[in-house]
Amino acid sequence: ETGVTQSPTHLIKTRGQQVTLRCSSQSGHNTVSWYQQALGQGPQFIFQYYREEENGRGNFPPRFSGLQFPNYSSELNVNALELDDSALYLCASSPTSGRARYNEQFFGPGTRLTVL
Amino acid sequence: AQKVTQAQTEISVVEKEDVTLDCVYETRDTTYYLFWYKQPPSGELVFLIRRNSFDEQNEISGRYSWNFQKSTSSFNFTITASQVVDSAVYFCALSEAQVSGNEKLTFGTGTRLTIIP
Repeated sequence: ETGVTQSPTHLIKTRGQQVTLRCSSQSGHNTVSWYQQALGQGPQFIFQYYREEENGRGNFPPRFSGLQFPNYSSELNVNALELDDSALYLCASSPTSGRARYNEQFFGPGTRLTVL
Repeated sequence: AQKVTQAQTEISVVEKEDVTLDCVYETRDTTYYLFWYKQPPSGELVFLIRRNSFDEQNEISGRYSWNFQKSTSSFNFTITASQVVDSAVYFCALSEAQVSGNEKLTFGTGTRLTIIP
């Protein structure tokens, strides 16, 4: 069983540019969540996608957007990059049956974004 | 709003000592889940334990043990006979229970644990 994978591993961008990060969910998982982890901080929830629709969003501006594809992989797009966007971006996938009270999230290794 | 506080920013202990990582949470929900994750230098979050709000039994898994006390809103994590491989950042997290099961995790700021050989 393949775990959650993310690409690229590292990325350097300049202020004002746009970036796309990618996440492949674990086999059988239909829900993907994205988190931002600034240096020295805990991960912060950005948003979640379930069956290609946004299903919950944290306190992030609209320039953070996402997509989920029919194969349940996902992209995180950030426009007009700012210096404070420098962080580790983590993707987590989970199975969702609608019957369970809890669906465990499995995290990928993350993409480290540096904005100069 | 949910909040998780890990007051210990950094802890260093000598190998084989016991160490306890503190976690205090705030939530208005009556049903919720608590978690501990380990983050080694590689960056990937490794799941350690999940507890639901109705289960206050302490749990032991090898050298790891967890003490959940609803009365003090705490969910502390103890490593017994610490080893160098335990060096990592440890996060406590909270999520509310959702009908759909699609929860978001609220994390604390983490505790960096260093085990000195």
